[in-house]
Amino acid sequence: GAVVSQHPSWVICKSGTSVKIECRSLDFQATTMFWYRQFPKQSLMLMATSNEGSKATYEQGVEKDKFLINHASLTLSTLTVTSAHPEDSSFYICSAREGEGGLARTNEQFFGPGTRLTVL
Amino acid sequence: GIQVEQSPPDLILQEGANSTLRCNFSDSVNNLQWFHQNPWGQLINLFYIPSGTKQNGRLSATTVATERYSLLYISSSQTTDSGVYFCAVNRDDKIIFGKGTRLHILP
Repeated sequence: GAVVSQHPSWVICKSGTSVKIECRSLDFQATTMFWYRQFPKQSLMLMATSNEGSKATYEQGVEKDKFLINHASLTLSTLTVTSAHPEDSSFYICSAREGEGGLARTNEQFFGPGTRLTVL
Repeated sequence: GIQVEQSPPDLILQEGANSTLRCNFSDSVNNLQWFHQNPWGQLINLFYIPSGTKQNGRLSATTVATERYSLLYISSSQTTDSGVYFCAVNRDDKIIFGKGTRLHILP
């Protein structure tokens, strides 16, 4: 149990285009999902917390208009990188935490496999 | 904010060796998790361990919350254990990651 998927696993796009990344909890309901960014050989940096049915909470320094987050259902959150530029190239990882209705309520987070974004 | 420090930053071992990875945190936390990030980037949950000791095969972990540290033990290392091991703590509904320990197991 507790499987999180991400799609796509990798994407290459031209500068100026927008890219949408999907994060799904496959076997549990996730009221809260998190989006992280990871640069090569560095740790994960929390970008934002996504709560189902409400606006995302962004960490300091993360542009909300640049990284649009939507959490429309208990199993899906999306991150859209708008007007992507080469400096947005990175590894984006989502995680999900079980909410009400899950097998057990803990703060344990489960991570997706990540999406590698390359902006040319 | 809370600081999470992992040591050592890098570790190279021969296959079959044992290792201990440490995670120190600067304040009280709600819980703590250990992850293994494989070479493809996937984060694999190893332990959810806010306190106490847990074991899973060749891996075990101990968290002493009162002293603000956790240890991850890997016994009889295999080449597939290579990768980065992250400790992450949860406080005020946010997860904060350490910088990781990069483990390389030589055949």
